[in-house]
Amino acid sequence: AQSVTQPDIHITVSEGASLELRCNYSYGATPYLFWYVQSPGQGLQLLLKYFSGDTLVQGIKGFEAEFKRSQSSFNLRKPSVHWSDAAEYFCAVQGGNSGYALNFGKGTSLLVTP
Amino acid sequence: GAVVSQHPSWVICKSGTSVKIECRSLDFQATTMFWYRQFPKQSLMLMATSNEGSKATYEQGVEKDKFLINHASLTLSTLTVTSAHPEDSSFYICSARDISGQGANNEQFFGPGTRLTVL
Repeated sequence: AQSVTQPDIHITVSEGASLELRCNYSYGATPYLFWYVQSPGQGLQLLLKYFSGDTLVQGIKGFEAEFKRSQSSFNLRKPSVHWSDAAEYFCAVQGGNSGYALNFGKGTSLLVTP
Repeated sequence: GAVVSQHPSWVICKSGTSVKIECRSLDFQATTMFWYRQFPKQSLMLMATSNEGSKATYEQGVEKDKFLINHASLTLSTLTVTSAHPEDSSFYICSARDISGQGANNEQFFGPGTRLTVL
C-alpha cells in the first residue's frame, strides 16, 4: 500500500541548532515529494518540492531536503533553526493511485526552545 | 500569483443545519480542486476530488450525500456539509491545481482553510 511515514511526532530543538525532519515513503515508483509547514490555525505553506533532477532541493526560509531513492526518504533540513520555525511540518507525496491528490504524513510538531 | 481563497474562514452552526464552504482560485483556472479535512493535531485527509463540470470523486468512507461538492466553474468549488453534527467539526482545506502550468503542473495551491464548529 502507498504510504508516507513521518517517524517523529514531536521534535524539540534549541534556537540556532540544526534540524532534520524525517520522511519515508512507500510507492511503486518515484513519486513527487513535498514539504509543507502549517502554523497554528493556518493553512499550508509549501517549503519545497522534488519532481526530478538534482536530489538536493532548496526551499524557502532556509530549508532544504534531500531525496534518497535507495532509502525511500525525503528528509527536511535546516542548518540553524529560528524561534519562528516552530510549527507543524508535513511531508506529502503525489503520484500512484492517488493521481494528483496529495497523501500526507501524520506530521511532525517542532518546538524551538531559547 | 497562484492564490486560493476560502470563505468563510470560520463558521459556527447549530446541529442539523447545512454549511457551505467556498474555494476559489483567484488568479488561475483549476479544472481540479481537492477537499481535505484535518482534525485537531492530526494530518490532512483527502475527502474528495472536485472536477469542473463533472461529479466529484469521493474517498472511501466519505459520505457523498453528506458532503456535497459542486465545481461549477474553473475558479470555484463549493463544499456543503449537510445536516451537520458535532463530529463534523473540523478544519476543511481546499487546494487547486493550475491547468496553465503556473508552478509545475503537478503543484497544488492551498487555501487558508475553514474551521467549522458544530454545536
